[in-house]
Amino acid sequence: AQKVTQAQTEISVVEKEDVTLDCVYETRDTTYYLFWYKQPPSGELVFLIRRNSFDEQNEISGRYSWNFQKSTSSFNFTITASQVVDSAVYFCALIPFNYGQNFVFGPGTRLSVLP
Amino acid sequence: DADVTQTPRNRITKTGKRIMLECSQTKGHDRMYWYRQDPGLGLRLIYYSFDVKDINKGEISDGYSVSRQAQAKFSLSLESAIPNQTALYFCATSENARTGGNNEQFFGPGTRLTVL
Repeated sequence: AQKVTQAQTEISVVEKEDVTLDCVYETRDTTYYLFWYKQPPSGELVFLIRRNSFDEQNEISGRYSWNFQKSTSSFNFTITASQVVDSAVYFCALIPFNYGQNFVFGPGTRLSVLP
Repeated sequence: DADVTQTPRNRITKTGKRIMLECSQTKGHDRMYWYRQDPGLGLRLIYYSFDVKDINKGEISDGYSVSRQAQAKFSLSLESAIPNQTALYFCATSENARTGGNNEQFFGPGTRLTVL
């Protein structure tokens, strides 16, 4: 069975602070994909990143960075110098590579960036 | 133009009414999905379809039915709506990894359904 845990239900930071959103997953599959999505107040889901299980390189995209550690089954997301526009709900998701499997989403973390 | 569209975007209905939510996609993907989102629960899978003749129940299919009218269209029906079906509903599509895709799901804008 697959499971994604986002232990932080809500986080509040002041603008320009760095913030890390945690994601821990469980799967028996050896090959899988991990995703992060952003849901701003307008409600749509915005794709942020996809990482496959055999690529443990960390990734940086502007103010965003992702730390994938297979040894701890974690795929954490860090926003550097947060901005008010980063306020949203962030979802981590897992999908095994095998045919017939489906996405499993975490419950989401609501990030509020205060001015 | 959006690749995945949902209609309606908002709907308020009464208990016992039949409701249909529609999803269309222009991405040419075989796989389509319906999710519902409730506060604090993330997205939960209702039904999914890997092609026109393949429809499967997801985690929370009770009280819902679907129809895959064509590769590009996947409709979700609530035969007799009840208040606890009030939620945000998302349609999504993906391309099978075995045909070159990477399982990334592309989401529609969502339908906010309120059942009074």
